[in-house]
Amino acid sequence: AQSVTQLGSHVSVSEGALVLLRCNYSSSVPPYLFWYVQYPNQGLQLLLKYTSAATLVKGINGFEAEFKKSETSFHLTKPSAHMSDAAEYFCAVSDNSNQFYFGTGTSLTVIP
Amino acid sequence: KAGVTQTPRYLIKTRGQQVTLSCSPISGHRSVSWYQQTPGQGLQFLFEYFSETQRNKGNFPGRFSGRQFSNSRSEMNVSTLELGDSALYLCASSAEPEQFFGPGTRLTVL
Repeated sequence: AQSVTQLGSHVSVSEGALVLLRCNYSSSVPPYLFWYVQYPNQGLQLLLKYTSAATLVKGINGFEAEFKKSETSFHLTKPSAHMSDAAEYFCAVSDNSNQFYFGTGTSLTVIP
Repeated sequence: KAGVTQTPRYLIKTRGQQVTLSCSPISGHRSVSWYQQTPGQGLQFLFEYFSETQRNKGNFPGRFSGRQFSNSRSEMNVSTLELGDSALYLCASSAEPEQFFGPGTRLTVL
């Protein structure tokens, strides 16, 4: 079975600072990789996805992620944090069976 | 296109009762997956239905069941509710390879 590890269950950054949320996956086949964001009392919203095209993937709200096969990583970054970025972020991996495996989530706090 | 809808949004039940949750996927999507989200366990996969057939299944007891209708709408049922079943239940419809989530049903078991 595949698995996803998100390092750091809580991350705090100052407004305007770099956001870096870490995700590592285990997969024996080229995976599909995703980042989702969840605001309180809402479902998950897709931020971006990697589906074996460009390794640097740009998403919504200024986020991007880079697929590094050698490191089995798919870290999420944003150059400048905004207050509205405060939320829970989930990394997920999927294989050809359409079964998704989610990380445990990282709660992002943005300090004004 | 309308998004994924889930009903009801909030539900309060007592131990031993059963509950049915409903999910309407995005039009044209044939795959529906269900997840349980709790603060301690995160997102846990329950099962996936595709064209009325269960295609994938997570590691949950038989009290948790689901089905999918010919119009792709899906229901999940939990029988003999336990306190630990209190959670946010999320439904996701899929146009592979990505999933689109509904707002969830918040189930509280007293």
